[in-house]
Amino acid sequence: GAVVSQHPSRVICKSGTSVKIECRSLDFQATTMFWYRQFPKKSLMLMATSNEGSKATYEQGVEKDKFLINHASLTLSTLTVTSAHPEDSSFYICSADRQGSADTQYFGPGTRLTVL
Amino acid sequence: QKEVEQNSGPLSVPEGAIASLNCTYSDRGSQSFFWYRQYSGKSPELIMFIYSNGDKEDGRFTAQLNKASQYVSLLIRDSQPSDSATYLCAVIGGATNKLIFGTGTLLAVQP
Repeated sequence: GAVVSQHPSRVICKSGTSVKIECRSLDFQATTMFWYRQFPKKSLMLMATSNEGSKATYEQGVEKDKFLINHASLTLSTLTVTSAHPEDSSFYICSADRQGSADTQYFGPGTRLTVL
Repeated sequence: QKEVEQNSGPLSVPEGAIASLNCTYSDRGSQSFFWYRQYSGKSPELIMFIYSNGDKEDGRFTAQLNKASQYVSLLIRDSQPSDSATYLCAVIGGATNKLIFGTGTLLAVQP
């Protein structure tokens, strides 16, 4: 299989706090991991692309100082939403590009963030 | 023009019928095409990918690609109520490995 996990699955936090979301590929090594955001009834929007050991590449309009990405190993990437505000409330989904599997991305189950 | 376009639906089909989902894309250099299924509140699940013109079959699912027309479709035979979900078309463009998603088509299979 190609299993990707995310933790936590759901988080509620107060405005101004920071939240860390972990993404792990459980049974394969991921060349690249991707972070997406999805608002209700909207499609997935790519936020950033991260490669192990290097800085993430952010999409236009995504603040890199607000959404910190660390790709520590071939199986773990983290997204930290710093100084979260209610407008950051969304469904955050990571995916992993399986090494040797070219373009196929496998998605984690997602993290529902609610900022009060 | 959006990079990947889908009819948002909902597409309603009776149980046992064939559901036909369509997608067009703007980047003529695109090489890889994917269909994902997403249930409400869940993340996308890969159903099929296709790289070459023509048809690709996997069980009840058939993906069809026509690069000349920049068109990719997904057929679901013998539709089941459990197939009711949003189907996302995604394309990897010619220059990068980024997935570009359409807005999805909501499929409702009526028992």
